[in-house]
Amino acid sequence: KAGVTQTPRYLIKTRGQQVTLSCSPISGHRSVSWYQQTPGQGLQFLFEYFSETQRNKGNFPGRFSGRQFSNSRSEMNVSTLELGDSALYLCASSSGQRKETQYFGPGTRLLVL
Amino acid sequence: SQQGEEDPQALSIQEGENATMNCSYKTSINNLQWYRQNSGRGLVHLILIRSNEREKHSGRLRVTLDTSKKSSSLLITASRAADTASYFCATDATGGSYIPTFGRGTSLIVHP
Repeated sequence: KAGVTQTPRYLIKTRGQQVTLSCSPISGHRSVSWYQQTPGQGLQFLFEYFSETQRNKGNFPGRFSGRQFSNSRSEMNVSTLELGDSALYLCASSSGQRKETQYFGPGTRLLVL
Repeated sequence: SQQGEEDPQALSIQEGENATMNCSYKTSINNLQWYRQNSGRGLVHLILIRSNEREKHSGRLRVTLDTSKKSSSLLITASRAADTASYFCATDATGGSYIPTFGRGTSLIVHP
């Protein structure tokens, strides 16, 4: 099976712009989670989508949003970018209702100037 | 706040030596997982240990779990330069929705 893919891999934006990141889970996986990783805060959970519904949400401002499509592909959007949004954004997919093993994509590295 | 905290933050060893890193957590868990991350890339799942298990092996990896102390350890035996990476533990807390929490990781450098 193909692994989790994320596009784009690298992105440079300026403050105030918005960005959309995409994640394609492993075939058959219905859960997609998003994480933000920075040197200062480590790996932080953004949100999880399961069957097109947001099931869990981390402690991030409303500028961070996401959605999941019927084919389980997911997108996350960050509006009004801030310098502090520069990070590696990782998505992870898993199978079944109970999320145990997550399979991570390679990440999208976002730089906000 | 972080549920899992790895210790040490950084570890530097020679090839062939064993590497041990620890993870402490705060609340009761269903399971605990260890992941590896090569520089700036995605995380790779290494091993999952459930709360009713005490030890688990996978190749050169050995994971222990002590629920009374709320801690886990990851031992990499006969380390190789290719083991150079950051290692994270992630816990699945009991009760409520599953939101995995990761520690800040242990950065392991294995010198050839």
